[in-house]
Amino acid sequence: QKEVEQNSGPLSVPEGAIASLNCTYSDRGSQSFFWYRQYSGKSPELIMFIYSNGDKEDGRFTAQLNKASQYVSLLIRDSQPSDSATYLCAVKGRYSSASKIIFGSGTRLSIRP
Amino acid sequence: DTAVSQTPKYLVTQMGNDKSIKCEQNLGHDTMYWYKQDSKKFLKIMFSYNNKELIINETVPNRFSPKSPDKAHLNLHINSLELGDSAVYFCASSLGTGLSGANVLTFGAGSRLTVL
Repeated sequence: QKEVEQNSGPLSVPEGAIASLNCTYSDRGSQSFFWYRQYSGKSPELIMFIYSNGDKEDGRFTAQLNKASQYVSLLIRDSQPSDSATYLCAVKGRYSSASKIIFGSGTRLSIRP
Repeated sequence: DTAVSQTPKYLVTQMGNDKSIKCEQNLGHDTMYWYKQDSKKFLKIMFSYNNKELIINETVPNRFSPKSPDKAHLNLHINSLELGDSAVYFCASSLGTGLSGANVLTFGAGSRLTVL
């Protein structure tokens, strides 16, 4: 079982709709969860992070965390063509003395006009 | 000013050669990392240093040797390059290792290594 799993996509969503990206993780002791966006040929950039169960909103983005189900998701409201990118879920493991941040393989999102 | 800068951006070399990638951050962060992103875009951690001390060393061949002369610099030297080493290597830094926000990674632009 992979440590962090994502559906590779591509996920195709019409412009203006809600895009829903999902991620599961295997280490029940994981502490922090991150969503990064990576455009083709560019480096990953942080969208948001979450560490408490529930929802966290930032503009058009909402991260949702359910530690009991070992599940974290990212919702993008009012999707724009500029949101087309690969979205990487990342998880900080249980080791408090070292930032072992593990990435999923990413979900390719395509917003169609 | 670039926050995390890597050089060179592109490297094309023959099998068996030795090459180095340099990384510098001006964010005042304590922790630096090397990640490898393969052709399938999977981003895998290789090494992490906290204040010049090696804290993460994944199962990376010992042909790869990181060096951190100070907390703002983390270099990667690769000996006897192999075809499978072709990838994009990303340097990253974070404020620290404790609180959640401290673990946010800032990435460099990446160094694309092609081994022929």
